[in-house]
Amino acid sequence: NFMLTQPHSVSESPGKTVTISCTRSSGSIASNYVQWYQQRPGSSPTTVIYEDNQRPSGVPDRFSGSIDSSSNSASLTISGLKTEDEADYYCQSYDSSYLMWVFGGGTKLTVL
Amino acid sequence: QLQLQESGPGLVKPSETLSLTCTVSGGSVSSGPYYWGWIRQPPGKGLEWIGTIYYGESTYYNPSLKSRVTVSVDTSKNQFSLRLSSVTAADTAVYYCARLTGKFDLPYYYYMDVWGKGTTVTVSS
Repeated sequence: NFMLTQPHSVSESPGKTVTISCTRSSGSIASNYVQWYQQRPGSSPTTVIYEDNQRPSGVPDRFSGSIDSSSNSASLTISGLKTEDEADYYCQSYDSSYLMWVFGGGTKLTVL
Repeated sequence: QLQLQESGPGLVKPSETLSLTCTVSGGSVSSGPYYWGWIRQPPGKGLEWIGTIYYGESTYYNPSLKSRVTVSVDTSKNQFSLRLSSVTAADTAVYYCARLTGKFDLPYYYYMDVWGKGTTVTVSS
């Protein structure tokens, strides 16, 4: 089965833009949709991006998602950073060969 | 508004079976087309998918846990459950239940859109 690799941590200042990557180890990133979940400290995860680049209602348009076949990776971009965006972010996709949902290891975003 | 609530023992002895229940409110566990799943998070670590059930029929399990996991649905109680046998300290985690939504009734289109608050399970004698 494939793995999704994320940077352990990223940091940026309020008002800036940050991008978190999620690289698929084998098979095409475009084979299955990628989702992104936000998990604030002490809380359960919530969806911020589904189907590569779709935002659930209530998620601000500062959050955007994309995939890049050349690097076989997905990206979550957050613009106009706010302190409330400080959280762990997880990418997730589906392994059609092993019939399983796969999570990335998570990225801790610090807004300072 | 759909809500999910996990319940079960917070402490389980090594080699015993962990049993958790997720109670669905504001919706029906038998309404489609939704999948229902379990995810866990060891202390200080990331998310790990455990298993998913669809319409009380098709089940999908993490291959690394498959020999020890059972996910089932009880439509009369509007609940779904997780059983994990032969637990060890490595199974200590926060366990989340979740609803999965998607399209075409095919698993690879489904993702977690509603999560419970999670319940902490410690494996210790």
